[in-house]
Amino acid sequence: AQSVAQPEDQVNVAEGNPLTVKCTYSVSGNPYLFWYVQYPNRGLQFLLKYITGDNLVKGSYGFEAEFNKSQTSFHLKKPSALVSDSALYFCAVRGLNAGNMLTFGGGTRLMVKP
Amino acid sequence: DAEITQSPRHKITETGRQVTLACHQTWNHNNMFWYRQDLGHGLRLIHYSYGVQDTNKGEVSDGYSVSRSNTEDLPLTLESAASSQTSVYFCASSERTSGSYEQYFGPGTRLTVT
Repeated sequence: AQSVAQPEDQVNVAEGNPLTVKCTYSVSGNPYLFWYVQYPNRGLQFLLKYITGDNLVKGSYGFEAEFNKSQTSFHLKKPSALVSDSALYFCAVRGLNAGNMLTFGGGTRLMVKP
Repeated sequence: DAEITQSPRHKITETGRQVTLACHQTWNHNNMFWYRQDLGHGLRLIHYSYGVQDTNKGEVSDGYSVSRSNTEDLPLTLESAASSQTSVYFCASSERTSGSYEQYFGPGTRLTVT
């Protein structure tokens, strides 16, 4: 079985400061890893993914994520947070034999204060 | 542009009534998914389909059914609505052959069962 943990329900950061939203996973085989963002009353929007290759993946809106196989982590980062980054962020994983299904974490609310 | 639409966006119904939520995608994706989103549970998979006439149960399928008669549509039916089914429902789709697995989400339907 595959699973994803987002250990923080909420992350607070000041505008202009770097942000990190944490994600750890458990899968069989090599993972496919994803980050999504959800703004209020909207569906989830794809931000970035890791399949293979460089451990640092760059995505939309200046976000990036670092894949760490030994720590089974895929933390989302941004060098300088914006108030408009405030949203709900979901990490997702697909492992071996999962077909086309993704397993999502519980979500982390990011609050960026001016 | 390709998209996924869901209707209605908001629905209030009474306990015991049958309810159908519509999902329509113009991506021409073979894979379609239904999730529910609840506080404290993140996204949970209800049903999914990998093509016409194919349907499969997800993690929380009891009380729900789907049918896939064409590529574009995957309606979700609540056979006899219960208060526990009050939730926000999201439809998603993905390609079957790309090997990248990211899913694209609709805007959601907020269902209230009274």
